[in-house]
Amino acid sequence: DAKTTQPPSMDCAEGRAANLPCNHSTISGNEYVYWYRQIHSQGPQYIIHGLKNNETNEMASLIITEDRKSSTLILPHATLRDTAVYYCIVRAHNTNAGKSTFGDGTTLTVKP
Amino acid sequence: DTAVSQTPKYLVTQMGNDKSIKCEQNLGHDTMYWYKQDSKKFLKIMFSYNNKELIINETVPNRFSPKSPDKAHLNLHINSLELGDSAVYFCASSLGTDTQYFGPGTRLTVL
Repeated sequence: DAKTTQPPSMDCAEGRAANLPCNHSTISGNEYVYWYRQIHSQGPQYIIHGLKNNETNEMASLIITEDRKSSTLILPHATLRDTAVYYCIVRAHNTNAGKSTFGDGTTLTVKP
Repeated sequence: DTAVSQTPKYLVTQMGNDKSIKCEQNLGHDTMYWYKQDSKKFLKIMFSYNNKELIINETVPNRFSPKSPDKAHLNLHINSLELGDSAVYFCASSLGTDTQYFGPGTRLTVL
């Protein structure tokens, strides 16, 4: 699976949009971009994923560039409870899917 | 109605002991995983089972033995525990190779 690069930390004001970038310049054509987050002491929580098109669900939006080499996770109205480590990973839907690597992620701190 | 559950949540034990961690999912998934998250917070795959068959077995000491009695359960047995085994162990499940859903974790402390 392709590696990803994320900034180690970001701050965001409560109520504002949080935009978390991720670079995945070596992504393969069959690899999806996944976002998870891990709130302190809890298990990773699935947020959203996409292949080519932008995606939106009740938690967030995912913007993938046309060349698929980078993406941005958008939390439209960040709350204090969104403070967590956010992981961007790329993985194919094949037998090696479980080998997708969770890197260091971005620690998002939402401030009042 | 917890989706992926693990027991126990905390496990403190002495070096040399044998212990088991249990995982159950009620999502109807056919694939289950064990991950280890060490003190540096790096999350690493250990094992993966699909329909009770082992499909991923990363470089893990053979003191670790997964057991899948059925598609909804994947237990992890650890023999002769060592200090370096202290970590948080996460179970996850998916439908085939689709999105993985994680359990709450088991914090293992070896003294």
